[in-house]
Amino acid sequence: DAKTTQPNSMESNEEEPVHLPCNHSTISGTDYIHWYRQLPSQGPEYVIHGLTSNVNNRMASLAIAEDRKSSTLILHRATLRDAAVYYCILRGGGDSGGSNYKLTFGKGTLLTVNP
Amino acid sequence: ETGVTQTPRHLVMGMTNKKSLKCEQHLGHNAMYWYKQSAKKPLELMFVYNFKEQTENNSVPSRFSPECPNSSHLFLHLHTLQPEDSALYLCASSQDLVGYEQYFGPGTRLTVT
Repeated sequence: DAKTTQPNSMESNEEEPVHLPCNHSTISGTDYIHWYRQLPSQGPEYVIHGLTSNVNNRMASLAIAEDRKSSTLILHRATLRDAAVYYCILRGGGDSGGSNYKLTFGKGTLLTVNP
Repeated sequence: ETGVTQTPRHLVMGMTNKKSLKCEQHLGHNAMYWYKQSAKKPLELMFVYNFKEQTENNSVPSRFSPECPNSSHLFLHLHTLQPEDSALYLCASSQDLVGYEQYFGPGTRLTVT
Protein backbone atom coordinates (compact mmCIF):
# COMPACT_ATOMS: atom_id res chain seq x y z
CA ASP A 1 0.00 0.00 0.00
CA ALA A 2 1.20 3.51 -0.78
CA LYS A 3 2.12 5.39 2.37
CA THR A 4 1.24 8.84 3.63
CA THR A 5 3.12 11.14 5.99
CA GLN A 6 1.33 13.53 8.32
CA PRO A 7 2.47 15.69 11.24
CA ASN A 8 1.78 14.03 14.57
CA SER A 9 -0.11 17.01 15.93
CA MET A 10 -1.34 20.48 15.08
CA GLU A 11 -3.00 23.22 17.05
CA SER A 12 -5.54 25.77 15.96
CA ASN A 13 -7.75 28.46 17.42
CA GLU A 14 -11.50 28.38 17.23
CA GLU A 15 -13.03 30.22 14.27
CA GLU A 16 -9.74 30.17 12.35
CA PRO A 17 -8.94 28.11 9.24
CA VAL A 18 -6.88 24.95 9.61
CA HIS A 19 -4.66 23.44 6.92
CA LEU A 20 -3.77 19.80 7.56
CA PRO A 21 -0.96 18.60 5.26
CA CYS A 22 -0.33 15.12 3.90
CA ASN A 23 2.59 13.89 1.81
CA HIS A 24 2.16 10.90 -0.46
CA SER A 25 5.12 10.93 -2.78
CA THR A 26 4.65 7.31 -3.94
CA ILE A 27 1.03 7.76 -4.97
CA SER A 28 0.03 5.85 -8.09
CA GLY A 29 -2.08 7.23 -10.90
CA THR A 30 -5.21 5.40 -9.76
CA ASP A 31 -4.97 6.10 -6.01
CA TYR A 32 -7.68 8.25 -4.49
CA ILE A 33 -6.84 10.49 -1.53
CA HIS A 34 -9.27 9.94 1.33
CA TRP A 35 -9.56 11.79 4.62
CA TYR A 36 -11.23 10.41 7.71
CA ARG A 37 -11.32 11.79 11.22
CA GLN A 38 -11.84 10.16 14.59
CA LEU A 39 -13.36 12.17 17.38
CA PRO A 40 -12.66 11.11 20.95
CA SER A 41 -14.47 7.91 21.94
CA GLN A 42 -15.97 7.46 18.47
CA GLY A 43 -15.30 5.47 15.34
CA PRO A 44 -13.68 7.13 12.32
CA GLU A 45 -15.84 9.37 10.15
CA TYR A 46 -15.45 9.99 6.42
CA VAL A 47 -14.55 13.59 5.62
CA ILE A 48 -13.73 13.93 1.93
CA HIS A 49 -11.89 12.31 -0.96
CA GLY A 50 -10.46 13.30 -4.33
CA LEU A 51 -8.36 12.14 -7.24
CA THR A 52 -6.87 15.10 -9.07
CA SER A 53 -9.08 18.15 -8.73
CA ASN A 54 -9.75 20.12 -5.59
CA VAL A 55 -12.93 19.07 -3.82
CA ASN A 56 -15.36 20.83 -1.51
CA ASN A 57 -18.13 19.50 0.68
CA ARG A 58 -20.03 20.69 3.72
CA MET A 59 -17.32 19.51 6.08
CA ALA A 60 -14.08 20.58 4.42
CA SER A 61 -12.09 21.27 1.28
CA LEU A 62 -9.36 19.12 -0.21
CA ALA A 63 -6.56 20.78 -2.13
CA ILE A 64 -4.45 18.39 -4.22
CA ALA A 65 -1.06 19.37 -5.56
CA GLU A 66 -0.64 19.32 -9.31
CA ASP A 67 1.85 16.43 -9.11
CA ARG A 68 -0.45 14.68 -6.59
CA LYS A 69 2.45 14.04 -4.24
CA SER A 70 0.81 16.03 -1.48
CA SER A 71 -2.59 17.27 -0.41
CA THR A 72 -4.09 19.55 2.21
CA LEU A 73 -7.32 19.20 4.12
CA ILE A 74 -8.80 22.61 4.85
CA LEU A 75 -11.25 23.29 7.63
CA HIS A 76 -12.46 26.78 6.89
CA ARG A 77 -13.51 27.73 10.44
CA ALA A 78 -12.39 25.34 13.14
CA THR A 79 -14.76 24.64 15.99
CA LEU A 80 -14.18 22.79 19.22
CA ARG A 81 -16.07 19.87 17.70
CA ASP A 82 -13.39 19.55 15.03
CA ALA A 83 -10.83 18.39 17.60
CA ALA A 84 -9.96 14.89 16.42
CA VAL A 85 -7.32 12.69 14.82
CA TYR A 86 -7.31 13.28 11.06
CA TYR A 87 -6.20 10.46 8.78
CA CYS A 88 -4.99 10.86 5.22
CA ILE A 89 -5.34 7.56 3.36
CA LEU A 90 -4.56 6.45 -0.17
CA ARG A 91 -7.09 4.08 -1.60
CA GLY A 92 -6.60 2.16 -4.81
CA GLY A 93 -8.71 2.91 -7.83
CA GLY A 94 -10.44 0.47 -10.12
CA ASP A 95 -7.36 -1.39 -11.24
CA SER A 96 -5.44 -2.16 -8.07
CA GLY A 97 -5.64 -5.90 -7.83
CA GLY A 98 -8.98 -5.98 -6.11
CA SER A 99 -7.76 -4.24 -2.96
CA ASN A 100 -9.35 -0.88 -3.60
CA TYR A 101 -11.72 -1.23 -0.64
CA LYS A 102 -8.88 -1.25 1.87
CA LEU A 103 -8.36 1.69 4.17
CA THR A 104 -4.87 1.54 5.65
CA PHE A 105 -4.83 3.89 8.61
CA GLY A 106 -1.62 5.49 9.83
CA LYS A 107 -1.17 7.46 13.03
CA GLY A 108 -2.85 10.57 11.66
CA THR A 109 -2.65 14.15 12.91
CA LEU A 110 -4.09 15.03 16.30
CA LEU A 111 -5.78 18.40 15.89
CA THR A 112 -6.29 20.46 19.03
CA VAL A 113 -8.65 23.43 18.80
CA ASN A 114 -8.22 26.15 21.39
CA PRO A 115 -11.23 28.22 22.47
CA GLU B 1 -31.86 3.57 14.66
CA THR B 2 -29.70 4.86 11.88
CA GLY B 3 -26.11 4.27 10.81
CA VAL B 4 -23.95 1.55 12.28
CA THR B 5 -24.60 0.30 15.80
CA GLN B 6 -22.45 -1.94 17.95
CA THR B 7 -23.23 -3.83 21.13
CA PRO B 8 -22.05 -4.02 23.77
CA ARG B 9 -20.19 -0.73 24.00
CA HIS B 10 -17.97 -2.06 26.77
CA LEU B 11 -17.02 -5.64 27.61
CA VAL B 12 -14.78 -7.14 30.23
CA MET B 13 -14.05 -10.83 29.88
CA GLY B 14 -11.71 -13.39 31.34
CA MET B 15 -9.34 -15.39 29.19
CA THR B 16 -11.49 -18.51 29.42
CA ASN B 17 -14.79 -16.81 28.56
CA LYS B 18 -16.67 -16.89 25.30
CA LYS B 19 -18.41 -13.73 24.19
CA SER B 20 -19.71 -12.17 20.99
CA LEU B 21 -19.67 -8.65 19.60
CA LYS B 22 -22.57 -7.56 17.46
CA CYS B 23 -22.72 -5.01 14.67
CA GLU B 24 -25.79 -3.90 12.76
CA GLN B 25 -26.02 -1.44 9.90
CA HIS B 26 -29.22 0.31 8.89
CA LEU B 27 -27.84 1.78 5.67
CA GLY B 28 -28.65 -0.93 3.15
CA HIS B 29 -24.96 -1.57 2.55
CA ASN B 30 -23.51 -4.79 1.14
CA ALA B 31 -20.03 -4.79 2.65
CA MET B 32 -19.09 -4.98 6.32
CA TYR B 33 -15.75 -4.86 8.12
CA TRP B 34 -14.15 -5.55 11.48
CA TYR B 35 -11.22 -3.38 12.61
CA LYS B 36 -9.08 -3.49 15.74
CA GLN B 37 -7.67 -0.36 17.35
CA SER B 38 -5.12 -1.03 20.08
CA ALA B 39 -3.74 1.68 22.29
CA LYS B 40 -1.24 3.83 20.44
CA LYS B 41 -1.47 1.71 17.28
CA PRO B 42 -3.21 2.45 13.99
CA LEU B 43 -6.48 0.80 13.11
CA GLU B 44 -5.96 -2.68 11.70
CA LEU B 45 -8.35 -4.33 9.29
CA MET B 46 -9.35 -7.80 10.51
CA PHE B 47 -12.13 -9.17 8.31
CA VAL B 48 -14.15 -8.10 5.30
CA TYR B 49 -17.51 -9.43 4.13
CA ASN B 50 -19.22 -8.63 0.88
CA PHE B 51 -22.77 -9.89 0.29
CA LYS B 52 -22.33 -12.17 3.35
CA GLU B 53 -19.20 -13.79 1.91
CA GLN B 54 -15.85 -13.34 3.62
CA THR B 55 -13.39 -11.73 1.23
CA GLU B 56 -10.56 -10.92 3.62
CA ASN B 57 -9.01 -12.45 6.71
CA ASN B 58 -6.02 -10.34 7.59
CA SER B 59 -4.05 -13.11 9.35
CA VAL B 60 -6.29 -12.90 12.39
CA PRO B 61 -5.82 -15.60 15.09
CA SER B 62 -8.51 -18.26 15.18
CA ARG B 63 -9.65 -17.16 18.65
CA PHE B 64 -11.51 -14.45 16.70
CA SER B 65 -14.32 -15.93 14.62
CA PRO B 66 -16.51 -13.69 12.45
CA GLU B 67 -20.01 -14.44 11.29
CA CYS B 68 -22.16 -12.60 8.78
CA PRO B 69 -25.67 -14.11 8.62
CA ASN B 70 -26.96 -11.35 6.33
CA SER B 71 -25.77 -8.06 4.86
CA SER B 72 -27.07 -6.08 7.83
CA HIS B 73 -25.49 -8.02 10.68
CA LEU B 74 -21.94 -8.91 11.57
CA PHE B 75 -20.71 -10.76 14.63
CA LEU B 76 -17.29 -11.33 16.11
CA HIS B 77 -17.16 -14.41 18.34
CA LEU B 78 -14.40 -14.37 20.93
CA HIS B 79 -12.94 -17.29 22.86
CA THR B 80 -9.81 -17.88 24.92
CA LEU B 81 -8.55 -14.37 24.34
CA GLN B 82 -5.29 -12.96 25.66
CA PRO B 83 -4.77 -9.70 27.56
CA GLU B 84 -3.07 -8.22 24.49
CA ASP B 85 -6.39 -8.58 22.65
CA SER B 86 -7.76 -5.74 24.77
CA ALA B 87 -8.64 -3.01 22.29
CA LEU B 88 -11.40 -1.04 20.64
CA TYR B 89 -13.16 -3.21 18.05
CA LEU B 90 -14.79 -1.21 15.30
CA CYS B 91 -17.33 -2.32 12.76
CA ALA B 92 -17.83 -0.51 9.48
CA SER B 93 -19.98 -0.85 6.39
CA SER B 94 -19.96 0.47 2.85
CA GLN B 95 -22.32 0.33 -0.10
CA ASP B 96 -19.98 -2.03 -1.89
CA LEU B 97 -16.28 -2.85 -1.91
CA VAL B 98 -15.36 -0.59 -4.81
CA GLY B 99 -14.45 2.94 -3.87
CA TYR B 100 -17.25 3.84 -1.46
CA GLU B 101 -16.69 5.54 1.85
CA GLN B 102 -16.93 3.41 4.96
CA TYR B 103 -19.27 4.22 7.81
CA PHE B 104 -18.02 3.22 11.24
CA GLY B 105 -19.83 2.27 14.40
CA PRO B 106 -18.83 3.62 17.81
CA GLY B 107 -16.89 0.49 18.68
CA THR B 108 -16.80 -2.01 21.53
CA ARG B 109 -14.14 -1.38 24.17
CA LEU B 110 -12.91 -4.85 25.11
CA THR B 111 -10.83 -5.59 28.18
CA VAL B 112 -9.43 -9.09 28.66
CA THR B 113 -8.44 -9.89 32.23
